[in-house]
Amino acid sequence: SQQGEEDPQALSIQEGENATMNCSYKTSINNLQWYRQNSGRGLVHLILIRSNEREKHSGRLRVTLDTSKKSSSLLITASRAADTASYFCATVAITQGGSEKLVFGKGTKLTVNP
Amino acid sequence: DAMVIQNPRYQVTQFGKPVTLSCSQTLNHNVMYWYQQKSSQAPKLLFHYYDKDFNNEADTPDNFQSRRPNTSFCFLDIRSPGLGDAAMYLCATSRDVTTGGRTEAFFGQGTRLTVV
Repeated sequence: SQQGEEDPQALSIQEGENATMNCSYKTSINNLQWYRQNSGRGLVHLILIRSNEREKHSGRLRVTLDTSKKSSSLLITASRAADTASYFCATVAITQGGSEKLVFGKGTKLTVNP
Repeated sequence: DAMVIQNPRYQVTQFGKPVTLSCSQTLNHNVMYWYQQKSSQAPKLLFHYYDKDFNNEADTPDNFQSRRPNTSFCFLDIRSPGLGDAAMYLCATSRDVTTGGRTEAFFGQGTRLTVV
């Protein structure tokens, strides 16, 4: 079953604008990750934020994590047409049996118009 | 160089005919995952291995089986594919760490399965 919920489901912006995507999750986590998927391809890891971190940057990406609200956001600044893709958050969830697994949210489909 | 390789990229199988998808990795990661992804949906976890320990998701149909003969290889067997099993199947690996949970996952390019 999916753990994360993301909004918006789809986002269309102009090149140069910023894009913000949000993710909420339900159970306790060790870390939260964001991935990108171009159409028909595998997923590519973008950034990982641990449960004891609140903010992380990587190039034009900024991720925040609020464990009290069980939510995270991904900000892409100065977007480019090449950023067009689907973006998924994923959590390393701890199961009742004590094992860990990577579970994905529903994703946001981002379109950046030239 | 590709680190997680899935073969084949495209697979067409007949309704009810067993099919096997393969995944290999050069990263020596101890965790391997199989996901099913249907069009415009999120990847859905089917099962994962931690070393040789197999962890099945509660809602994964019995029709889906997996084998991991060694660290490098993992197979997804669909015993009797139905039309509803047509999807992209994604293999991923990650390295477990003792603190902070697992590191990021590396994905293969996927196998797109068509059932006719």
